[in-house]
Amino acid sequence: GIQVEQSPPDLILQEGANSTLRCNFSDSVNNLQWFHQNPWGQLINLFYIPSGTKQNGRLSATTVATERYSLLYISSSQTTDSGVYFCAVGTNAGKSTFGDGTTLTVKP
Amino acid sequence: EPEVTQTPSHQVTQMGQEVILRCVPISNHLYFYWYRQILGQKVEFLVSFYNNEISEKSEIFDDQFSVERPDGSNFTLKIRSTKLEDSAMYFCASRLQVLETQYFGPGTRLLVL
Repeated sequence: GIQVEQSPPDLILQEGANSTLRCNFSDSVNNLQWFHQNPWGQLINLFYIPSGTKQNGRLSATTVATERYSLLYISSSQTTDSGVYFCAVGTNAGKSTFGDGTTLTVKP
Repeated sequence: EPEVTQTPSHQVTQMGQEVILRCVPISNHLYFYWYRQILGQKVEFLVSFYNNEISEKSEIFDDQFSVERPDGSNFTLKIRSTKLEDSAMYFCASRLQVLETQYFGPGTRLLVL
């Protein structure tokens, strides 16, 4: 099956710093989502981005499907951005395969 | 905004007991999924469901697991005889069409003692 690698596995930032999270995948996909898992375990959908670039406030994401990677940018990080960020990929309406996640800690 | 709901939010059960986890997908969605996440690990796919039948299942989804969409709104996951290793957060998800966002519910945290 498809392999999903996320990097870095852990990231510690000071409040206000910027960061880039990466998701590499091993095969062609046409579904890709970024999630933030909050401290209560809920998966919060950040972006549905199988290709191209999207922005939502301080967050933006870019997927280059032909090169099999996606990037999540967080600017001016806040303590509330802490948590685990997952990339999930798939094809058509099939299952999503999740990466291992990046654990982000933002310190005040 | 419409959302996927799941009940209960937490469930504690004894090993060997049957549990039913309930989900109400977004009303006009056509594709339904169950995933699980063991504490500290990544989210794993269990099963997908479309047009009243299972479309794909993982190796985890063995004979102890079953899914139903009994009334056109609910989508349930049943574990017939729970094991300690079934302790996890179980997520339900739904999707309207093929190339669209998959919406996840808040999860049910299952603890098997």
